[in-house]
Amino acid sequence: EAEVAQSPRYKITEKSQAVAFWCDPISGHATLYWYRQILGQGPELLVQFQDESVVDDSQLPKDRFSAERLKGVDSTLKIQPAELGDSAMYLCASRVGGAQYEQYFGPGTRLTVT
Amino acid sequence: QKEVEQNSGPLSVPEGAIASLNCTYSDRGSQSFFWYRQYSGKSPELIMFIYSNGDKEDGRFTAQLNKASQYVSLLIRDSQPSDSATYLCAALVTDSWGKFQFGAGTQVVVTP
Repeated sequence: EAEVAQSPRYKITEKSQAVAFWCDPISGHATLYWYRQILGQGPELLVQFQDESVVDDSQLPKDRFSAERLKGVDSTLKIQPAELGDSAMYLCASRVGGAQYEQYFGPGTRLTVT
Repeated sequence: QKEVEQNSGPLSVPEGAIASLNCTYSDRGSQSFFWYRQYSGKSPELIMFIYSNGDKEDGRFTAQLNKASQYVSLLIRDSQPSDSATYLCAALVTDSWGKFQFGAGTQVVVTP
């Protein structure tokens, strides 16, 4: 069964350092999402891609976060510099696109900033 | 801010009983709703989606949608200890490129 892949699964970094997360969506899925989930809360959208284009980054803290999906396949989310408040689970999800709205999540990256 | 609200729980359910989870949403234009199960420390897993008013059944799960009252519910029949998890409700945001608004989730604990 096809799955969304993410790496690393866990990351511990010191504040002010740079950190990057990688996501490979299910093959053929045009829409890719990056979410942040804080313990006890639901996922919060950071950025949404349609193929290689950003279609929603309204909640992305652009002074420190960046995201790209250069060839419309895999994607990277970067934080620089990391802050203590960035400690969370970072989830990638994908869906086919268009009017098919079922989205599937990868295993996530647990980030701890010390 | 278009919101999705859920009772945080925990909802304690005896094994074999029915678990009933509710979700309300503020975006009157939302047309599509999704239920995810999330085990502690894991990522959300899609279990049901519903687009039309009424009931939709899939195995032990039934999703119910009432657009006039702006609520969605999930019933889990014959609850098993393996159903112990947090259940997230998500609504597709109107006039978006397929953006979802998630609730904070309801924790379900099935007791043997």
